[in-house]
Order: sequence, then C-alpha cells, then structure tokens
Amino acid sequence: DAGVIQSPRHEVTEMGQEVTLRCKPISGHNSLFWYRQTMMRGLELLIYFNNNVPIDDSGMPEDRFSAKMPNASFSTLKIQPSEPRDSAVYFCASSRDTSYEQYFGPGTRLTVT
Amino acid sequence: GENVEQHPSTLSVQEGDSAVIKCTYSDSASNYFPWYKQELGKRPQLIIDIRSNVGEKKDQRIAVTLNKTAKHFSLHITETQPEDSAVYFCAALLSGGSYIPTFGRGTSLIVHP
Repeated sequence: DAGVIQSPRHEVTEMGQEVTLRCKPISGHNSLFWYRQTMMRGLELLIYFNNNVPIDDSGMPEDRFSAKMPNASFSTLKIQPSEPRDSAVYFCASSRDTSYEQYFGPGTRLTVT
Repeated sequence: GENVEQHPSTLSVQEGDSAVIKCTYSDSASNYFPWYKQELGKRPQLIIDIRSNVGEKKDQRIAVTLNKTAKHFSLHITETQPEDSAVYFCAALLSGGSYIPTFGRGTSLIVHP
C-alpha cells in the first residue's frame, strides 16, 4: 500500500485565492482526519470523517474552511478565500476507526502571500 | 473535552544519555495513549502506544509508563542516538468511543553526538 497520499505537496498562492487540498486515505480505513500544524499552535485537528460522514468539525477555524469526503477513497479541504494566516502544513491521516493508530500523509505545505 | 499537557517543550541531551518526556491528561475515561515521532520535514509516525490496562510497555530503547491515578504518562528513551532527534507528540483518547485523539504540543528532542 502506498500509504496516505496528499496533493499538492507544496502550494503557494496569493491572498484571496481558493485553495484545495486533496487526500487519499489508505484502502480499508474508515476514518479520515484533517490536521493543521504551525509553530505557534502545534498540531490542530480541523475535522474528521467516519465512513465518509463528517463527525466533528469543531476545529474548523471559520466558514472559509470546508471539507468533503464524497467517497471512501477521496477527501478535500478547501479554503476560500485564503489568508496569510492560513499558511501552515496540512496533514491528512486515516485509521481503521477512530480508536486505532493514525497513519499520516506527507502533508501539504501551504504558503499564502 | 480532553486536555493534554506535555513537558518539556524542548529537551537537549548528549548521545548515550536517557530522555524522558511527560504528559498529563484531564479525562479519566481516556484509555489509549499513543506517542508519535516527527522528524524534521516529515510526517508524524506512531512509535509506541499503551492502553490503560497496563502500566508499562517497552520496545527496545523506548518505553512508556502510565499512571492512571495521577493521569500522567511518560516516554523514556535510553541510550539516545542522534537519529532520535525529532519532535515527539503524546496523545490521549477513548478507544472504542466517538472521541478523537487530543495531542500534546510536542517536545523537540535534540541529541548531541
């Protein structure tokens, strides 16, 4: 298995632009998590899905952030419009369920200028 | 909700010394405690975990101890090597429930050769 796949690995965009981050979880995993990591705030959970259904999105910073999981093998995190303070590394992780080991993707380093 | 405190935020040791990282949690119902290692520029990866029905678990140079009464758990690394240099994250969650892992802020371990 290739593990959790994220794209793009790096994204540089201008303030106000829409950003879409993509994630493919490990096959057979039914839980998917989106995290944001910064030096100031550490590793923050944004939202997680169980069986493609969003369970807890209380970590989503504001309405500019949205996430979808249309099927078991694909999820997106969208920021519209993006702001410089959104600059961070965004990780996607998957697990067999919410109680097992989480496998992290390589992350997407987002820079908003 | 769960709250996890992790100390120290940075730890510098000489090669061959031991390193100890401590975490405390607030929710007495938490029963699963994983530790993740994140090397510079890479993704977090699980290195060891412990469940609340045991007090200690070892894996070669790494060990984790759990004190349920005091609600704290610790990571012990013996005979440290330069390749142990990384950021280590602890987490706590309720296995089998609808909870999600709450991560500590991380400890940056530097092992000097």
